[in-house]
Amino acid sequence: QVQLQESGPGLVKPSGTLSLTCAVSGDSISSSKWWSWVRQPPGKGLEWIGEIYHSGSTNYNPSLKSRVTISVDKSKNQFSLKLSSVTAADTAVYYCARSRVLGYSSSSRHYYYGMDVWGQGTTVTVSS
Amino acid sequence: DIQMTQSPSSLSASVGDRVTITCRASQSISSYLNWYQQKPGKAPKLLIYAASSLQSGVPSRFSGSGSGTDFTLTISSLQPEDFATYYCQQTYSTPPEYTFGQGTKLEIK
Repeated sequence: QVQLQESGPGLVKPSGTLSLTCAVSGDSISSSKWWSWVRQPPGKGLEWIGEIYHSGSTNYNPSLKSRVTISVDKSKNQFSLKLSSVTAADTAVYYCARSRVLGYSSSSRHYYYGMDVWGQGTTVTVSS
Repeated sequence: DIQMTQSPSSLSASVGDRVTITCRASQSISSYLNWYQQKPGKAPKLLIYAASSLQSGVPSRFSGSGSGTDFTLTISSLQPEDFATYYCQQTYSTPPEYTFGQGTKLEIK
């Protein structure tokens, strides 16, 4: 059974850096999957932050790209999120998730991806 | 960037009802559309991928349809455990930018 578990400080000061880690069990982070971060501000919808492959290749949400770094630690089977220059608007529940290929379109030569395993989420509050 | 718009934002229905939620993309995304269910205080759960393919373990009362810009999620006969918020997500963008819709909250009437 694949499980993801987020960890990190629940309180970060404005202008500081938010740092979270997602520990993966039941699957290898070096397998052919992408590992994602998604956040959800209180009472609001989901926002995709970015993803990483075990090779270190990353994709980021353009609206956050200048402040986001996602990294992978294969020796610990985990990946991490750093978000710099945080403000109150970054207060949210942060989820890590596994994104994998679920299908393929031969006509468009494009893979269908979906986030099929999620962590339970961790609340991060930005406040002084 | 691709915007995803869901309608309605909220919906009241009764157990046994047939319910349809709509998601519209700001440009064609072929069939690269996922649906998730989220219950309060819980992580989202993948229901449908590739617009109409049922994720393993998801009850068959859930179905998805559509392609291009217009998509629907249908629950054929609402069960008590289906009252939740539903999100669509596009996975068409290259490079990836997996935009979610704003969500549809399904409440008990």
